[in-house]
Amino acid sequence: NAGVTQTPKFRILKIGQSMTLQCTQDMNHNYMYWYRQDPGMGLKLIYYSVGAGITDKGEVPNGYNVSRSTTEDFPLRLELAAPSQTSVYFCASSYPRQGAYPRLSPLHFGNGTRLTVT
Amino acid sequence: ILNVEQSPQSLHVQEGDSTNFTCSFPSSNFYALHWYRWETAKSPEALFVMTLNGDEKKKGRISATLNTKEGYSYLYIKGSQPEDSATYLCAFVPGNEKLTFGTGTRLTIIP
Repeated sequence: NAGVTQTPKFRILKIGQSMTLQCTQDMNHNYMYWYRQDPGMGLKLIYYSVGAGITDKGEVPNGYNVSRSTTEDFPLRLELAAPSQTSVYFCASSYPRQGAYPRLSPLHFGNGTRLTVT
Repeated sequence: ILNVEQSPQSLHVQEGDSTNFTCSFPSSNFYALHWYRWETAKSPEALFVMTLNGDEKKKGRISATLNTKEGYSYLYIKGSQPEDSATYLCAFVPGNEKLTFGTGTRLTIIP
């Protein structure tokens, strides 16, 4: 099992450029999440998905879009990059055991994508 | 905005010593508390998910306690080893919301 895989690991964007951060998991997890980590701040939830075809906004969704066409993949799209989107991005997944509640299931994280917008 | 605070922000501990640090969260509308260990250049890994007031969980030399009535959880590390050097994150889960992470406690073990 590779777990949660994120690509790329690093990226530098110019203001106004677009890019997609890729995230894939091979654990057949239903729930997937995108977080960003800024210096001195806790992880902030951008978007999440409870299954293929279903996505919802988190705490800081502005400037981002997501899709979930398969169970395995949950890409994060930045359409018009801004300096405020300079951050480290983490994808995570979780799988609630049958009868368990999702928020009791531990998150499995990818290794992160460090994005700089200049 | 939920206030989840971790203290101290960082600490240095001599190898072999025991240590503990705190996660404080709102005492109302509690649902669960997660603890994660985050080693440098790696991704966060789950340690514990705690739900019951007074609960204590243990994993090797690491243990955690939970007080939901007063809104805090302690993480203890007994006999610190260099491999314990990491940032330890807690995440508070209220009754009807998603996880809110604290900013972490960065632990450095001095050989």
